Amino acid sequence: EVQLVESGGGLVQPGRSLRLSCTGSGFTFGDHSMSWFRQAPGKGLEWVGFIRNKASGGTTEYAASVKGRFTISRDDFKSIVYLQMNSLKTEDTAMFYCTRGYNSPSHWGQGTLVTVSS
Amino acid sequence: EIVLTQSPGTLSLSPGEGATLSCRASQSVSSYLAWYQQNPGQAPRLLIYDASSRATGIPDRFSGSGSGTDFTLTITRLEPEDFAVYYCLQYGSSPRSFGQGTKLEIK
Repeated sequence: EVQLVESGGGLVQPGRSLRLSCTGSGFTFGDHSMSWFRQAPGKGLEWVGFIRNKASGGTTEYAASVKGRFTISRDDFKSIVYLQMNSLKTEDTAMFYCTRGYNSPSHWGQGTLVTVSS
Repeated sequence: EIVLTQSPGTLSLSPGEGATLSCRASQSVSSYLAWYQQNPGQAPRLLIYDASSRATGIPDRFSGSGSGTDFTLTITRLEPEDFAVYYCLQYGSSPRSFGQGTKLEIK
C-alpha cells in the first residue's frame, strides 16, 4: 500500500525557516516524481512545486509565490522528499501535502500544518 | 499562468439528483485536467484524470468530459457522501493551477 507521511510542521515566526519532510513507503520511491501542495485555512488548493525523479533529471519547478524561497530536494535512499522553506511569510500559513507524481497525483499524505505567526 | 474558473461556486441539491460542475480554462490545457473531491479535514481524493478517465476505485456515477478549455464533472444519483468540495486541476503546463472549487451541499 502506498503511504506518504509528512512531518516537520509547526509554529514559526515570520522570516524564519522550516523544513518539511515526506516519507514514502509501499512503492519504489526513486522511480517517481514528487510534488508539494498547500491549502491555507478555509481556502482552496495551491500547487507549490515538484521534483522529477532522477531518471528525468531530478529537476524542480515552483509556483511563483514560493520561487526563490522554497526548495524541494529528495533522498531516494531514505525515500524522503523535503521542502525547505525560507523567509516565511504569514501568508504561507497552510496545510502542506506531499504527493506521488506531478501530473494528476492520486496518492496524498495526510498533511502537516505550518503556521507562520509572531 | 493558466487560470481555471469553476462554476457554480455552490450547488445545492438533494440525494438522488444529478450534478453538473464546470471548469473553464483561460487557455487550452488539451486533456490534461483532473477533478478532486475534498471533505473537511481530509486530503483531496482523485476522481478523474486526463479529463475523462476515472481513477481507481471511483464509482461510475462520476464522469468527466471536455477538452481544450471547457470541462465538466457529472455526478449522477448523488449519494450522501458526495456532498463535498470539488476542485479541477490543470497539468498541461507549469505552473499547475487549481480552480477555486465548487461546494456541493445538501439542499
